[in-house]
Amino acid sequence: DIQMTQSPSSLSASVGDRVTITCRASQGIRNDLNWYQQKPGKAPKRLIYTVSTLQSGVPSRFSGSGSGTEFTLTISSLQPEDFATYYCLQFNSYPWTFGQGTKVEIK
Amino acid sequence: EVQLVESGGGLVQPGGSLRLSCAASGFTSANYWMHWVRQVPGKGLVWVSRINNDGSDIVYADSVKGRFTVSRDNTKNTLYLQMNSLRAEDTAVYHCARGSRGPDYWGQGTLVTVAS
Repeated sequence: DIQMTQSPSSLSASVGDRVTITCRASQGIRNDLNWYQQKPGKAPKRLIYTVSTLQSGVPSRFSGSGSGTEFTLTISSLQPEDFATYYCLQFNSYPWTFGQGTKVEIK
Repeated sequence: EVQLVESGGGLVQPGGSLRLSCAASGFTSANYWMHWVRQVPGKGLVWVSRINNDGSDIVYADSVKGRFTVSRDNTKNTLYLQMNSLRAEDTAVYHCARGSRGPDYWGQGTLVTVAS
């Protein structure tokens, strides 16, 4: 199975901060990686697909980058509605695996 | 509007069975792979299973293989998860989701609690 190591597990940030979350795959996954946002009690929402493509309707302050085994989600200027938990997902091979999640909290 | 609505969760004893449903609307479900993903409350997401468009190809996580069965009825736009021989560690919110390159839309989930 491909392991997805996501870091940090949590972070505290202020509105307007730049936030970076990283996912490292245990083997190469080409560009088969998505990023999701989840708020308490809600369904996950896809933010970025295939590493860097922004989901329609998602603000442009979200961006994704990376290749091979290391991938990054960046929020350029954190907004109040961005406080949530973020997950990466690899769909290169089964079983699909998620990162452990990064909880973004208000400083 | 794409909607996925799960139902069928509840409290079941260890060793018991439960059948979850996921009703799809706002799109033609026959055009999409569908998935089950579970989440222990307060914990992370875990992929459970994938079924292709016509149900001819199904993949399971090792943790549920042989106990869970996924099926779909495209005439009813509904996805199913039959869960047998349930264990305490199967306690989770079960989400259905659609998509072949990682899910794009998800349901809010239905809670399954396995306890005596």
